[in-house]
Amino acid sequence: DTGVSQDPRHKITKRGQNVTFRCDPISEHNRLYWYRQTLGQGPEFLTYFQNEAQLEKSRLLSDRFSAERPKGSFSTLEIQRTEQGDSAMYLCASSPRASGSTGELFFGEGSRLTVL
Amino acid sequence: AQSVTQPDIHITVSEGASLELRCNYSYGATPYLFWYVQSPGQGLQLLLKYFSGDTLVQGIKGFEAEFKRSQSSFNLRKPSVHWSDAAEYFCAVVYMEYGNKLVFGAGTILRVKS
Repeated sequence: DTGVSQDPRHKITKRGQNVTFRCDPISEHNRLYWYRQTLGQGPEFLTYFQNEAQLEKSRLLSDRFSAERPKGSFSTLEIQRTEQGDSAMYLCASSPRASGSTGELFFGEGSRLTVL
Repeated sequence: AQSVTQPDIHITVSEGASLELRCNYSYGATPYLFWYVQSPGQGLQLLLKYFSGDTLVQGIKGFEAEFKRSQSSFNLRKPSVHWSDAAEYFCAVVYMEYGNKLVFGAGTILRVKS
């Protein structure tokens, strides 16, 4: 399967712990996005990479959140000192930089975080 | 502010009936409009997109959508719904003047009754 893969699919943690999610995009895609989705809401943009450069961060992304894409391939999203409000589905998506591909994202199945 | 409104949280239609899901976007000079579908346990999948040109666009799985600038709308339609269409549908917009990110609506859950 050559789609976007995310790991872990489910994570249960206690408040105050740190968690890290990994995303492996489609190999030829140079754009990578992180979104967060809570129950009854659409995905909310968190951050976006083009290759290894983080080009945009949402104001939703507090200082406890950090994302990296060190070699322009896989990406990690770390949440430090988790809070119950961080419970959500974290979605990763990738996109080629081809002309006309704006907004055409390929999503992974998501990583569900539950903070107790 | 960039926003997308999907007025209907849930819609139930009978199998074989027609479907229209509503979407309104906040005003923008150059909106790029999309519909995505999310089935249980699966990632979001692009159904169709509108960038410019013909205001009626065709997508996968027999879906189509019509862009109406005067109404700031981009409604999704299907002439005959199948049970496998039951899913959550998201309208989304990119405003190029605000960067290269999708802004999603809250979604509409479609239920299909047999």
